[in-house]
Amino acid sequence: DIQMTQSPSTLSASVGDRVTITCRANQTIYNWLAWYQGKPGEAPNFLIYKASTLESGVPSRFSGSGSGTDFTLTISSLQPEDFATYYCQQYESFPWTFGQGTKVEIK
Amino acid sequence: QVQLVQSGGEVKKPGASVKVSCKASGYTFSNYGISWVRQAPGQGLEWMAWINNYNGDTKYAQNFQDRVIMTTDTSTSTAYMELRSLRSDDTAVYHCARIRGGTHYYMDVWGKGTTVTVSS
Repeated sequence: DIQMTQSPSTLSASVGDRVTITCRANQTIYNWLAWYQGKPGEAPNFLIYKASTLESGVPSRFSGSGSGTDFTLTISSLQPEDFATYYCQQYESFPWTFGQGTKVEIK
Repeated sequence: QVQLVQSGGEVKKPGASVKVSCKASGYTFSNYGISWVRQAPGQGLEWMAWINNYNGDTKYAQNFQDRVIMTTDTSTSTAYMELRSLRSDDTAVYHCARIRGGTHYYMDVWGKGTTVTVSS
């Protein structure tokens, strides 16, 4: 199975901050990576696929980059509604696997 | 709009089975697949299984290979996930998600989740 590791596990930030989350795979996944936003009691929100393609309707402050084994999710200017947990997920091969999540909390 | 509406929460005893439904709307159900993902309390997301409605292909995580049965009813645009031989560590929120893609598939629309509690 492909192991996905995110860092940091928790991130404290303020509204307006630029935030970067890292996701690393233990073997190449080319660019078959997705990012999701999760909030308690809600359906996870699909943000990015193919490592850097923004899903339709997702604000442009979100961006993704990387290929191979190292990836990043960047929020250019954190908004109040962005405080949530973010997950990366590889879909290069089965079983699909997620990172453990990065909680973005209010500083 | 594209939506997945899941069935309500369930409380089950160890050893029992649970069947969760996921009703799709806003798109042609038979053209997409459905995946199931769970989140145990305080834990991250765990992918369970995948069914491609287009060709009937299924994939399972090893942990669920022998315990999960996925079915779909195209007449009602509903997917079902049955988990058997429940254990206390199966207590979790179970999400369905639509799968989309070409050569590689990903989950683009998710249901809000169904809470399954396993307790004696």
